Amino acid sequence: AQRVTQPEKLLSVFKGAPVELKCNYSYSGSPELFWYVQYSRQRLQLLLRHISRESIKGFTADLNKGETSFHLKKPFAQEEDSAMYYCALVSGSARQLTFGSGTQLTVLP
Amino acid sequence: EAGVAQSPRYKIIEKRQSVAFWCNPISGHATLYWYQQILGQGPKLLIQFQNNGVVDDSQLPKDRFSAERLKGVDSTLKIQPAKLEDSAVYLCASSLGVGLNTEAFFGQGTRLTVV
Repeated sequence: AQRVTQPEKLLSVFKGAPVELKCNYSYSGSPELFWYVQYSRQRLQLLLRHISRESIKGFTADLNKGETSFHLKKPFAQEEDSAMYYCALVSGSARQLTFGSGTQLTVLP
Repeated sequence: EAGVAQSPRYKIIEKRQSVAFWCNPISGHATLYWYQQILGQGPKLLIQFQNNGVVDDSQLPKDRFSAERLKGVDSTLKIQPAKLEDSAVYLCASSLGVGLNTEAFFGQGTRLTVV
């Protein structure tokens, strides 16, 4: 069965410092991975998807199949990056979207 | 802004009572999801519809939860009877389909408290 693990529930960094949010997955097939973000009092929304190999708001994420990881990185964190971040995996013939437990990122001034 | 609409936003009920949640997806979106998000956890998929057909309900507690999507548009999720452990935020999401790279759009959620 598919599984997404985010080992850190809470992560705090200072403004301007690099940040890395960890995500590991377990899936026997070819993974399709996403990062979703939820800012305070807003709805859950897509941040980026691995297949696009894009950089959104300065964030990037690289799929490492050998380590089964999809860590989210940003070289210089900003206060507006403070939010809840969820790693998600699409799997199965019905293409279920499975979420990790999330990491609350706080960027301190 | 146009998006996934859910109602009500909040609901408080006593255990053993019944409750229903409503979701209106983005127009034209064929796929609709219901998630349960318990405090401190990530969203857990309860049921997934493709148009008006169920494609996955493996994690839906069918003895008390039911969902339908009439005419492949709006959807309702019902709990009968509710238990204390059903206290959670219920999220509805929709997407154009299930193709590669398809983005899911989420509603604001319904926060259910069972007392």
